Amino acid sequence: AQSVTQPDIHITVSEGASLELRCNYSYGATPYLFWYVQSPGQGLQLLLKYFSGDTLVQGIKGFEAEFKRSQSSFNLRKPSVHWSDAAEYFCAVAPNTGFQKLVFGTGTRLLVSP
Amino acid sequence: SAVISQKPSRDICQRGTSLTIQCQVDSQVTMMFWYRQQPGQSLTLIATANQGSEATYESGFVIDKFPISRPNLTFSTLTVSNMSPEDSSIYLCSGSGGLDTEAFFGQGTRLTVV
Repeated sequence: AQSVTQPDIHITVSEGASLELRCNYSYGATPYLFWYVQSPGQGLQLLLKYFSGDTLVQGIKGFEAEFKRSQSSFNLRKPSVHWSDAAEYFCAVAPNTGFQKLVFGTGTRLLVSP
Repeated sequence: SAVISQKPSRDICQRGTSLTIQCQVDSQVTMMFWYRQQPGQSLTLIATANQGSEATYESGFVIDKFPISRPNLTFSTLTVSNMSPEDSSIYLCSGSGGLDTEAFFGQGTRLTVV
């Protein structure tokens, strides 16, 4: 069965500092990979996705993620964090057969300090 | 991407009653999904809603408790039946246009059962 691990429950980063959120997955083949962000009281917004091709993918709001097959990882990065980035971040996988039936990680709550 | 309108956005319900949540997509989608996010938890897939057939439920979820309708390619409902306080969660619907397209989410319904 597919599973997703986000080992960091909370992360605090100073505004302007760089950010990396970790995500590891377990799946028999290369799945589709996603990062979503959930702001307080909001639904989920897609930050970026990996389906195939270039393993470094760019997303919205200055985020990027790198797929590393050898490590079964899909870590999210941002070079300079803004206070508005404070939110819950979810990594998710879907089988590469499509239709986006997602399995989510437990989420990482990002706090941004002044 | 398409937009999902989900309603109600929140509700407080008495135990033993039922609540029906509606999701309307502004374009046709192949698959729709219903997720539950319990307080402080990640998202768990309840079921996949197929147009013209019964929904497919994940382990731990049953049709009697969470009946789903999908009358056409732009609309779905989830009913939470005979509610108890343990059903207090955020319920989110999701849609996907098909293979190689990402899923998008409604804003969620925050349900509190008292």
